[in-house]
Parts: sequence; structure tokens; C-alpha cells
Amino acid sequence: NAGVMQNPRHLVRRRGQEARLRCSPMKGHSHVYWYRQLPEEGLKFMVYLQKENIIDESGMPKERFSAEFPKEGPSILRIQQVVRGDSAAYFCASSPAPVETQYFGPGTRLLVL
Amino acid sequence: GENVEQHPSTLSVQEGDSAVIKCTYSDSASNYFPWYKQELGKRPQLIIDIRSNVGEKKDQRIAVTLNKTAKHFSLHITETQPEDSAVYFCAARGRAQKLVFGQGTRLTINP
Repeated sequence: NAGVMQNPRHLVRRRGQEARLRCSPMKGHSHVYWYRQLPEEGLKFMVYLQKENIIDESGMPKERFSAEFPKEGPSILRIQQVVRGDSAAYFCASSPAPVETQYFGPGTRLLVL
Repeated sequence: GENVEQHPSTLSVQEGDSAVIKCTYSDSASNYFPWYKQELGKRPQLIIDIRSNVGEKKDQRIAVTLNKTAKHFSLHITETQPEDSAVYFCAARGRAQKLVFGQGTRLTINP
């Protein structure tokens, strides 16, 4: 039973480019959560999605950031016109139901030059 | 909104001794409290969790206690080993289904 998968594991972008981060939840999990972790800091909630629906995006910046979880395929976190401050590790987690345990993927480390 | 405070930020103990990490939360509706261990460059790994209808839970050398009245919960690691060295995060889940994390504790086990 494969765990939560994320790709790419490392992503380098220049300022102004777009970054696309993908997350495939564990089998049987339909709830996906994205978190951001700055160096030496804790994890900050960004967005919570269920298949084809955004449930809670209260932690996601209004500008440049968007997320989706289509009926087929992985969840995608998209960052447009990246800036240096977007450099961080982005983790997704999945659960089979909102009240169940969240399991984390290996993260995508984004570096903006 | 929900806020979780975690202390201490760093903790150094001798191998074999116990380590205790404490967290407080603000949302009285919080009902689920997981603890994650994160090694350098790795994903957060769930090590133990507790729900609000339970006061204490133990799994081998790891235990978690919850005081709902005071809104705090603690992680206890006994007979620490070098492989326990990592950053530990507490979290709380309240009215919204998102996890709110503490700032983390860097635990170092000295041989």
C-alpha cells in the first residue's frame, strides 16, 4: 500500500516562473491537505480539498496561489509568478475522512532563485 | 483562530533519561491531538495521537497526556535513545478539519 506521493521532490524556479506541485493521496483517501514549512519553522495549513471541491482555503494567499483536486489524477498546488519568499517545503497529507489521521507525503522543496 | 503553543523549542537529554514536551491550545472545540516526529529532510511521521475523550495514551516508550480543562497536552518519551533525536511537532484539530501545529521542539539525545 503506497503512501502519499509527491512530485517533484525538488523544484528550482526563477522569480516570475510558475511552480506546479503534485500530490497523490494514499489509496482510499479522498481528503487532501497542503501545508507549507519554512526553514526551521513549523507547518502552516494552506488548503483542504476533497475530490473536486475546495473545503477550506483559509491558509492560502489570495494572490498567485491556487489548488485543485480533480476527479481523476493528483491534487495540484500551483504558484504563479514565484518570488523568493515562496521558497519552502510544501507537504501534502491525506486522510480517508476529515476526522481521521492525516498521513504526510515526502514533500516538495521549492527553491526560487 | 486556533493557536497552538509548544515548549521548549530545544531540549537536550542524556540517553536513557526521559523527555517531556508540552503544548497548549486555544480552541476549546479541539478534539484531536497528534504528535509528529520529523527527521532532517524527511516527512513528518505520526508517532502517537489522542482524542478528547481520553486522558492518556501509551505506546511502548511514548505516552501522551491530555488535560481538556487546562487545554494542554504533553508528550513523554522514556528511556530515550539516540534515534529519538529529531524535531517533534504537536498539533490540534478544532472546528475546522485542518491541523494547527506548534512551533516544534528540537530534541537531542546525548550518548
